[in-house]
Amino acid sequence: EEQLVESGGGLVQPGGSLTLSCAASGFTLSSYEMNWVRQAPGKGPESLSFINRGGTTMTYADSVKGRFTISRDNAKNSLYLQMNSLRAEDTAVYYCAREHGFWSAYYHAFDLWGQGTMVTVSS
Amino acid sequence: DIQMTQSPSSLSASVGDRVTMTCRASQSIGSYLNWYQQKPGKAPNLLIYAASGLQSGVPSRFSGSGSGTDFTLTISSLQPEDFATYYCQQSYNNPPPYTFGPGTKVDI
Repeated sequence: EEQLVESGGGLVQPGGSLTLSCAASGFTLSSYEMNWVRQAPGKGPESLSFINRGGTTMTYADSVKGRFTISRDNAKNSLYLQMNSLRAEDTAVYYCAREHGFWSAYYHAFDLWGQGTMVTVSS
Repeated sequence: DIQMTQSPSSLSASVGDRVTMTCRASQSIGSYLNWYQQKPGKAPNLLIYAASGLQSGVPSRFSGSGSGTDFTLTISSLQPEDFATYYCQQSYNNPPPYTFGPGTKVDI
């Protein structure tokens, strides 16, 4: 069974740091582009960050640019999100999501999601 | 940045009803539009990709249509398990981040 499992969430003070991990199983991580998505309580999802298959291209939403860093270790079938300078507005459930290309890879969507890990930024 | 809006924000329906919800993009995005279903405490689940493509394993009562700026998700006969929140997402500006809409909640 294809699966993504996030870990590393928790309570952190404003200005603090946290690293999230996402373990992939049932498929080869190196074959897919990957993303982090977060969802604040009662809000819609927010696409945060993207990394290509080889880990050479990364993109970020403006809300986290300069503070968050996405990375991957294909040998360990794992994806990471290093979060620095955390703010109260970063409080959310964080998901890793697999990006799949449909119709000859012309159209992309997130076809596999983890269960999410909660990050709470509060003093 | 491409902004996504959805209407209505919520709707009430009964089992067996035909349900339609809309998503609008702030600029033309062709058919680069996906739909997700989310139940409380769970991750979003892909229903429709490329505006009208049905994801594997998704019941055929779900269908999507539209192109450019206006899109529609239709549930032909609402089932008890369909009560959830539905989000649209644009995938026009590749690579991500891809913007999501604010959602339409379907309840009884």
